[in-house]
Amino acid sequence: GAVVSQHPSWVICKSGTSVKIECRSLDFQATTMFWYRQFPKQSLMLMATSNEGSKATYEQGVEKDKFLINHASLTLSTLTVTSAHPEDSSFYICSASSRPQQTQYFGPGTRLLVL
Amino acid sequence: AQSVSQHNHHVILSEAASLELGCNYSYGGTVNLFWYVQYPGQHLQLLLKYFSGDPLVKGIKGFEAEFIKSKFSFNLRKPSVQWSDTAEYFCAVNFKAAGNKLTFGGGTRVLVKP
Repeated sequence: GAVVSQHPSWVICKSGTSVKIECRSLDFQATTMFWYRQFPKQSLMLMATSNEGSKATYEQGVEKDKFLINHASLTLSTLTVTSAHPEDSSFYICSASSRPQQTQYFGPGTRLLVL
Repeated sequence: AQSVSQHNHHVILSEAASLELGCNYSYGGTVNLFWYVQYPGQHLQLLLKYFSGDPLVKGIKGFEAEFIKSKFSFNLRKPSVQWSDTAEYFCAVNFKAAGNKLTFGGGTRVLVKP
């Protein structure tokens, strides 16, 4: 149980385009989903927290207009990187939990390369 | 701000050796504690967690961790490692005062030589 999937697993796009990443909880309902960014050889940095049906809460320094998060259902959250630039290239990871302050289960990540 | 530190960035050891990875967190009241593992090319997997009760927690694959509240520590241990334990290990803390968020340590890369 507690499986989280992400799609796509990797994406290459041109600078200026937008990219949407999906995060799904496959066998449980996720009241809360989290989006992280992981730079090479570094730890995970939380970007935002999203609760189903409400606006996401962004961490300090994360541009909410650039990283659009939608958590429309209890099993799906999306992260859209708008007008992507090369510095947005990174590994984006989502996680999901079924109850507040409970275990987060992580997706496999999406590697984004912006040319 | 709440923070989590892992003392070792890299650990190299031979099979059958014992492993201990340190994790300390800043004071922040009530906490939930986690260790996650990331095998090469794979996603983060939960090794073990502590919410309350017995401070010695047993996880999967022979790992255990001990919560020492007075030291703000949650060290991970395995008495005898295998080559397949080669991975990156992350300590993570949910500071309840900060809501649902997890704060991750910097990670420790463990290489087990066959």
